[in-house]
Formats: sequence, structure tokens, C-alpha cells
Amino acid sequence: RKEVEQDPGPFNVPEGATVAFNCTYSNSASQSFFWYRQDCRKEPKLLMSVYSSGNEDGRFTAQLNRASQYISLLIRDSKLSDSATYLCVGWMDSSYKLIFGSGTRLLVRP
Amino acid sequence: SQTIHQWPATLVQPVGSPLSLECTVEGTSNPNLYWYRQAAGRGLQLLFYSVGIGQISSEVPQNLSASRPQDRQFILSSKKLLLSDSGFYLCAWSVFRVPYPHSGNTIYFGEGSWLTVV
Repeated sequence: RKEVEQDPGPFNVPEGATVAFNCTYSNSASQSFFWYRQDCRKEPKLLMSVYSSGNEDGRFTAQLNRASQYISLLIRDSKLSDSATYLCVGWMDSSYKLIFGSGTRLLVRP
Repeated sequence: SQTIHQWPATLVQPVGSPLSLECTVEGTSNPNLYWYRQAAGRGLQLLFYSVGIGQISSEVPQNLSASRPQDRQFILSSKKLLLSDSGFYLCAWSVFRVPYPHSGNTIYFGEGSWLTVV
């Protein structure tokens, strides 16, 4: 079983839609989580950190559920520019290694 | 502010040829440095990481090697490339120390190097 698993998608949604991605992790010792965004043929870039209390950044909301071992990303009012691959990332505080999911592809259509 | 530079951006190499990718970080000292690879349509695979000069941890046994000759310099090498080495290579840095909590610190990537082995 992969340490971090994501639905590869693609999620094909119209502009203005709300879309949610989930990601599950297998290691209960994982402590820190992030969402990265990767555009085609570009490097991944940090989108936001994920906290148990939930955090919001504009149209983006991230949530961590430790009991069920999943994290989520909600995008409201989707824009064409949101089209990208979203990577779920986690690691343990006792390790230097960041574990990436394979990514969920989002396509926002006009 | 911290910046990371990686080069070359693109290269096409024949099978059996050597490889050298270089990465440098500016604006911080004693960073943790990483090499990741992303094959076409695949996720990120951690190849090597380093927490200090001369300290290299290898995650995947293969024909690649890494070196850290200076504090902010990380080099990925191969003596003989294979077709399967083709992919998008990414250098990254972070600054934190285990076992202390990450406190939300994460890693940041360079722009990547596209390698095609022919």
C-alpha cells in the first residue's frame, strides 16, 4: 500500500464549480501535511499547509482528519487558472523525507 | 530570501553517457537538500537527500549517485545512463532539524531538469 494515496482524476469541472480532493495516508505517525500544485512540465509549488483545525486561503480550504487518516482540499469558485495537478504531501516529524502522492489532475473548463 | 538554481534545464543524452546535474541554494545556510525524479505521468520519487556536507542518504538503488561538495551545492551524477533514467529531475531544499517538530516547514523545488536518454 502506498504511503500517500490520491485519486488521479482527472476532475473535469466548469468554471465556478466547487471541487474537493481527498488524500489518504497509511502512516499514523505522519505529522505534517501540505498541498502542492504542479503545472504541466513545471516544478511543484507549495499551495498550503494542512492543519487539524482546518485552514483557509481565499478560495482554498484544507482539512486534516487524523482519526480517519485523510486530508482534503476544497476549491470554491473554480477558475480556468486552477487547472493543474494537486499533490498531497506528508511526512513524519522524525524523518527528513517528504512523501508525495501521485497527484490529482484538475481540468476547469469554460 | 532563499533561491534555488538548477541546471541544465534540458538535456538529451545517449545511452551509456555520463550525467551531471547541479543545484545550488542561496540565502540560507546548512539546508537539507534533495533530488527527486518524476517519470512521465508518474509521481515524485525521492532519490537522495543530504543533511550536511558529505552526508548522502540514498533511497533507491540504481546507477545514480549524489554528492554534496559544499554546503549549498548538490550534484546528481551517473557514469552510464540507461533509457529508464529519462525523466524530470528536481532539486529541493528545506531547513529544519529532526527530532524537532517541522513547525510547518516544508521543501521548495528548483525549476527542474528534463533528461531524455536516447
